[in-house]
Amino acid sequence: GIQVEQSPPDLILQEGANSTLRCNFSDSVNNLQWFHQNPWGQLINLFYIPSGTKQNGRLSATTVATERYSLLYISSSQTTDSGVYFCAVGGSNFDSWGKLQFGAGTQVVVTP
Amino acid sequence: NAGVMQNPRHLVRRRGQEARLRCSPMKGHSHVYWYRQLPEEGLKFMVYLQKENIIDESGMPKERFSAEFPKEGPSILRIQQVVRGDSAAYFCASRMYSNQPQHFGDGTRLSIL
Repeated sequence: GIQVEQSPPDLILQEGANSTLRCNFSDSVNNLQWFHQNPWGQLINLFYIPSGTKQNGRLSATTVATERYSLLYISSSQTTDSGVYFCAVGGSNFDSWGKLQFGAGTQVVVTP
Repeated sequence: NAGVMQNPRHLVRRRGQEARLRCSPMKGHSHVYWYRQLPEEGLKFMVYLQKENIIDESGMPKERFSAEFPKEGPSILRIQQVVRGDSAAYFCASRMYSNQPQHFGDGTRLSIL
């Protein structure tokens, strides 16, 4: 199956700082999603981005499918950005269509 | 437009009992997925269902676990004779078409005493 690697595993930020999270994947994909798991355990869908660039407020994401990586940018971080950020991909091979393979996540802590 | 609804949010069972987790997909979504998040771990795929059919159950444990998505009603993930190692958060996701994102419910936290 597809391998998904996220870096860094942990990130401590001061409020107001910017950061970049990376997701590398080992095969071509037809689905890539970024999630934020908040301290209550809810999975918040941030981006559906199998290719290209998207922005939503202080967050933006870029996926370069030909080079098999995606980046999530957090600008002007706030304490509410704390939590775990997951990258998840769905493969383009028929037998892996549908199911998402999750990375191990990046634990982000934003301090006041 | 309601999101993916999972219930119960929290479920406590004693070893040997049965656990039933329910998932109502978003309106119009016919693809349902179940994922499990063990403590301090990421999410792992369990099973993919369409109405009345199991499409991919490659992530399901071979014993005690089953899933269904009937023509009417929610999808059910059933765990028989639960053991301590089944304690986890179980997430359901749905989507309308194969080239669209999956939308996740808030999960069911299963605790085994």
